[in-house]
Amino acid sequence: SAVISQKPSRDICQRGTSLTIQCQVDSQVTMMFWYRQQPGQSLTLIATANQGSEATYESGFVIDKFPISRPNLTFSTLTVSNMSPEDSSIYLCSVHRNYEQYFGPGTRLTVT
Amino acid sequence: AQKVTQAQTEISVVEKEDVTLDCVYETRDTTYYLFWYKQPPSGELVFLIRRNSFDEQNEISGRYSWNFQKSTSSFNFTITASQVVDSAVYFCALIEGLNTGNQFYFGTGTSLTVIP
Repeated sequence: SAVISQKPSRDICQRGTSLTIQCQVDSQVTMMFWYRQQPGQSLTLIATANQGSEATYESGFVIDKFPISRPNLTFSTLTVSNMSPEDSSIYLCSVHRNYEQYFGPGTRLTVT
Repeated sequence: AQKVTQAQTEISVVEKEDVTLDCVYETRDTTYYLFWYKQPPSGELVFLIRRNSFDEQNEISGRYSWNFQKSTSSFNFTITASQVVDSAVYFCALIEGLNTGNQFYFGTGTSLTVIP
């Protein structure tokens, strides 16, 4: 199994500010995925991050709002910019390995 | 259209009862993977099972069993003799094709409460 850690585990932020979430994987992976889970909802893919190229965003998500970095094969960051209360969610990073998908523990974000 | 449908949003059972969680999927691909994940109140997602489209054998793992039927596009999950620790949200999910980089489609989840 893949070991994935995320920082911070939770945060409470003011409207209009930005938060950067870090995701660290215990071994190299080609692609890393960022998901959002709004309260009581399912998981929605935000973007796919490949090392050395720009992230690919899903419909409804844009780079200006959710910039992603992928500096190497074990690390990625997701920034939630200019936050509003609607951004309150759990944000999870994920990787594929051996046809299974593993998820980090999530970052629980509350925007006030 | 939803690729993965979990029609049961919430289920409550009394401890030791059996419970089946339904999952219906939709895809035009002949090759795909199906998954079940458990999300306890702590929030982390716990992988339970993966099944590829070529393997319709049912699987049993302890108190858990899965019934995969391509004819009805269903991948149902049964918990036998439920326990309080089974209380969680359960997600069914689909990957189309065999490319591990393909998108993961999640159902909306079924919240299971096991009452002691």
